[in-house]
Amino acid sequence: GAGVSQSPSNKVTEKGKDVELRCDPISGHTALYWYRQSLGQGLEFLIYFQGNSAPDKSGLPSDRFSAERTGGSVSTLTIQRTQQEDSAVYLCASSKFGQGSNEQYFGPGTRLTVT
Amino acid sequence: RKEVEQDPGPFNVPEGATVAFNCTYSNSASQSFFWYRQDCRKEPKLLMSVYSSGNEDGRFTAQLNRASQYISLLIRDSKLSDSATYLCVVNMGGYGQNFVFGPGTRLSVLP
Repeated sequence: GAGVSQSPSNKVTEKGKDVELRCDPISGHTALYWYRQSLGQGLEFLIYFQGNSAPDKSGLPSDRFSAERTGGSVSTLTIQRTQQEDSAVYLCASSKFGQGSNEQYFGPGTRLTVT
Repeated sequence: RKEVEQDPGPFNVPEGATVAFNCTYSNSASQSFFWYRQDCRKEPKLLMSVYSSGNEDGRFTAQLNRASQYISLLIRDSKLSDSATYLCVVNMGGYGQNFVFGPGTRLSVLP
C-alpha cells in the first residue's frame, strides 16, 4: 500500500523567505510526527499530532516554526523567515495510535537548503 | 543521563561476521521498543519491533532486558548490504510525543 509521502523532495530557498513542507500520512494512521535531521546528526523531534487532540509542540525550536494538520490527515510544516541553520532534512512519520506496538513509518523527507 | 543511549561506533566487521549492538534506556516505564535502520541520506526504516520474549527475523535477533533496561540487536552472517546506521527507538508511554530515538550505531560490513 501507499506509504508516507512528502513534498517537495528538495527545497532551496533564500534566507528570510517562508517555506511550506507537506506530509501525507498512511491512510488510517491517526498519529503524525515531524522531525528534522541535520547532516550526520540524529533525529530531532519537532511536533506531534494525535487525532483531534491538541498537538505536542514541545520540540519546535522557535516561533518561526508552526504546523497544522487539516482533517486529521495531511500536515503542513511552515517555517517563516528561514535562517541558514534551518537547513536540514525534514522527516514526517505516521503511526496507528493505540493499536499494536505503534511503529512509526517515515516518509522520504524534504531536504531544505537555506542560502 | 540521556534517555536512550547507543555506542555510535563505527563497527567495522568482515562479511559473514556476527555483530551485536546494545541500547540502554532510562525510563523503566517504557512500553515498546524498536530497531530502525537508516541508510546514508535516506529515511529511517523499521527493521523490527522488540518483544518481551525476544524475537527473530531471519539473520536478525532482538532481545529486551527490562530489569537492566537495555535492548539488543544481533546480526548473524552479516552482508555488505547490512551497512547502515541502526537506530534504537523507545516508546516511553504517557501523553504526547513519547518516541525517543537513540543517536544510532554505524555499521560497516567490509568485503
